[in-house]
Amino acid sequence: ILNVEQSPQSLHVQEGDSTNFTCSFPSSNFYALHWYRWETAKSPEALFVMTLNGDEKKKGRISATLNTKEGYSYLYIKGSQPEDSATYLCASWAESNYQLIWGAGTKLIIKP
Amino acid sequence: EAGVAQSPRYKIIEKRQSVAFWCNPISGHATLYWYQQILGQGPKLLIQFQNNGVVDDSQLPKDRFSAERLKGVDSTLKIQPAKLEDSAVYLCASSVQGSRGTYEQYFGPGTRLTVT
Repeated sequence: ILNVEQSPQSLHVQEGDSTNFTCSFPSSNFYALHWYRWETAKSPEALFVMTLNGDEKKKGRISATLNTKEGYSYLYIKGSQPEDSATYLCASWAESNYQLIWGAGTKLIIKP
Repeated sequence: EAGVAQSPRYKIIEKRQSVAFWCNPISGHATLYWYQQILGQGPKLLIQFQNNGVVDDSQLPKDRFSAERLKGVDSTLKIQPAKLEDSAVYLCASSVQGSRGTYEQYFGPGTRLTVT
């Protein structure tokens, strides 16, 4: 099973600043890329499911882009707020694996 | 709409003991997943059910782990006997369908297992 890598592992950001982090995945046999947010003591929740190269999705202050040819996705948060503190997980579905392969996540901490 | 329910939320056991986790997915969701998430790693799929049939259990350590989904609704994951390396968060998720990875998964809050 091929790996999905996320960077950085953790990130401290001042409240009000914007930030972004990366998910790298195998580009061969790519089918879908998922982003999830996991707040402490809560359930992981889906942010985006992306399939098309060049796709960009947005939910409030959070947006994501997808490059399937080079195998990466960026997640952007504009004007970070304390409630954005969470671990952000990405997962790639490839037709060679027939399951989601998950990255280890980026832990985001917003400093007031 | 009620979310995915899991119990217990926390469990501490000694090695070689047995433990069972329960999951009730969102009503109408055909696909149910059990993941193991070890600290510092991404979730690893243990088993995937489509209704009450197993789709993928290739990463389930079958010598000690078992899972069932009777009647295609709720599910139980069991570890017998537990080892220290089984300490992890066990996540249950469900989706409308599991085919081709385009359906978002809905997660329960997880069970944090500590094996001492």
